[in-house]
Amino acid sequence: EPEVTQTPSHQVTQMGQEVILRCVPISNHLYFYWYRQILGQKVEFLVSFYNNEISEKSEIFDDQFSVERPDGSNFTLKIRSTKLEDSAMYFCASRTGRQLYEQYFGPGTRLTVT
Amino acid sequence: AQRVTQPEKLLSVFKGAPVELKCNYSYSGSPELFWYVQYSRQRLQLLLRHISRESIKGFTADLNKGETSFHLKKPFAQEEDSAMYYCAFAAATGGFKTIFGAGTRLFVKA
Repeated sequence: EPEVTQTPSHQVTQMGQEVILRCVPISNHLYFYWYRQILGQKVEFLVSFYNNEISEKSEIFDDQFSVERPDGSNFTLKIRSTKLEDSAMYFCASRTGRQLYEQYFGPGTRLTVT
Repeated sequence: AQRVTQPEKLLSVFKGAPVELKCNYSYSGSPELFWYVQYSRQRLQLLLRHISRESIKGFTADLNKGETSFHLKKPFAQEEDSAMYYCAFAAATGGFKTIFGAGTRLFVKA
């Protein structure tokens, strides 16, 4: 069964550094998402992406964040200048785009900003 | 406001006992409701969706629009049901993002 994959599984970076989190959604899916989960808190929506553009972004998704689908298979989340409060688990998800709204999640990338 | 409320952070039951994980939602419209589960060291995965009215692993959930609830139930809990359970809905904006509750950790004791 196809799965969403994410790399790396754990990323440690220093405050102020740029990080790129990578995701490979399921191949025939059309909608892509990033969520994050700060330790002990709920899973929060960051951004949705469809047809090579952002459909919606949350208040969290400020100018430090960007997403890209550079090659038709990868879906990346870039944080330009990381802050301590960006430390969280980041989940990528995708869905088919048909009348089925459940999403398929990747295993997550744990980002630790020191 | 779009919100999912799961009032219990932790629910501990004995094996064979009934389980009910509570979920209430706030949404202006008819949401698509889901329960996602996350077993230890595994990814979030769909457990069930309200539109299909199915039973997965013995779990069922009934949508009560009057009470805006979507409680998850299982008549006889098993140890392998121990996991984190998230109630969620797909919001009809921005490509149907998923709004999650805070989750309930279910612990089934032997």
